[in-house]
Amino acid sequence: EAQVTQNPRYLITVTGKKLTVTCSQNMNHEYMSWYRQDPGLGLRQIYYSMNVEVTDKGDVPEGYKVSRKEKRNFPLILESPSPNQTSLYFCASSLSLRNTDTQYFGPGTRLTVL
Amino acid sequence: GENVEQHPSTLSVQEGDSAVIKCTYSDSASNYFPWYKQELGKGPQLIIDIRSNVGEKKDQRIAVTLNKTAKHFSLHITETQPEDSAVYFCAASRDSNYQLIWGAGTKLIIKP
Repeated sequence: EAQVTQNPRYLITVTGKKLTVTCSQNMNHEYMSWYRQDPGLGLRQIYYSMNVEVTDKGDVPEGYKVSRKEKRNFPLILESPSPNQTSLYFCASSLSLRNTDTQYFGPGTRLTVL
Repeated sequence: GENVEQHPSTLSVQEGDSAVIKCTYSDSASNYFPWYKQELGKGPQLIIDIRSNVGEKKDQRIAVTLNKTAKHFSLHITETQPEDSAVYFCAASRDSNYQLIWGAGTKLIIKP
């Protein structure tokens, strides 16, 4: 089944404790990205990747890191999480860079930083 | 840069009635407008999209209309059913920029 998977689905942590949210897609997609979703603000892009070893900042990259060492994986790293990073996070992928390509979203990771 | 405004933020309709969600965009060069549906506990999923060379597109009970002059587009859902309850997001983009600019979302509630 074609899908985007994220782990963990739920995570409660404390300020300053490094964490990684994994994202994997099995559709051989080139483009992957991370979003955060907050009430009233919709989906805001954190980072995106156009292909292996090619990443770039989205609209809200502060406090986050990403890597793209393999085409299928695109982990999101919070080196020192803070309470303002409490949010619902989505990983997404699409076939290519065309703006008309459908984005396929993972099921989301709900992160709480105490 | 591009900005997409979406209204209303919450919409409650009686089952069987129609629902309309509206979005306006600022960049006149935008030419692709998708709508995504997010069910509870899931990620958004594309339900319909429209390109700027088309004024209307239908898919069963769902339709999207585009007014390029006024720079707004709308999602129409007819004969609403309980499974239509979800958060709906509009977005806009242009060919030269592969990033989607998202609206803030509309929570649609279908009352039995």
